[in-house]
Amino acid sequence: SQKIEQNSEALNIQEGKTATLTCNYTNYSPAYLQWYRQDPGRGPVFLLLIRENEKEKRKERLKVTFDTTLKQSLFHITASQPADSATYLCALDALSGGYNKLIFGAGTRLAVHP
Amino acid sequence: GAGVSQSPSNKVTEKGKDVELRCDPISGHTALYWYRQRLGQGLEFLIYFQGNSAPDKSGLPSDRFSAERTGESVSTLTIQRTQQEDSAVYLCASSSSSYNEQFFGPGTRLTVL
Repeated sequence: SQKIEQNSEALNIQEGKTATLTCNYTNYSPAYLQWYRQDPGRGPVFLLLIRENEKEKRKERLKVTFDTTLKQSLFHITASQPADSATYLCALDALSGGYNKLIFGAGTRLAVHP
Repeated sequence: GAGVSQSPSNKVTEKGKDVELRCDPISGHTALYWYRQRLGQGLEFLIYFQGNSAPDKSGLPSDRFSAERTGESVSTLTIQRTQQEDSAVYLCASSSSSYNEQFFGPGTRLTVL
């Protein structure tokens, strides 16, 4: 069956460290993979998009990798800050039920402690 | 420019009543998604509209749920005979294509008493 898996356990790290979140997928062949941030009581906000022919993408303190062989994306936040505390969702374009659409993982909650 | 808007922001209703939720997508966005998010849970896909194609209704949990979209503009999600388990935040998102970034609205918090 098709699955997108993100660590359901919250990730707790100390301020200044690098946070690494994982997104694994099964039985999908996405051309794109996206990462979003969601704060409590708000809708998700787009952060980064990476294409299947890109190994790595960076934006300020954020870095995303995309390994189509491992079927995995890693999302890194360097020099983390308490303001980075949020839930992070990965999403990929998928052919599902005859429709090509964006499918979201359940998200991983990140807590950065001072 | 204006983002995705949703109304109402909050809706409290009694069990058994019908409710209608509205989404105004970003102008020109052909793709529109509805999601449900229960407290502390992930996004649950409900329905997807892409241009003038037939919508993907595969995520609708029961026949009490329906949605319409007029062309590439406003969409309404209707829940008939609401149940307490329908209580959740309903999020709408639009996108310029099926795989581009999605822009989410603020959501409608539905409480069924």
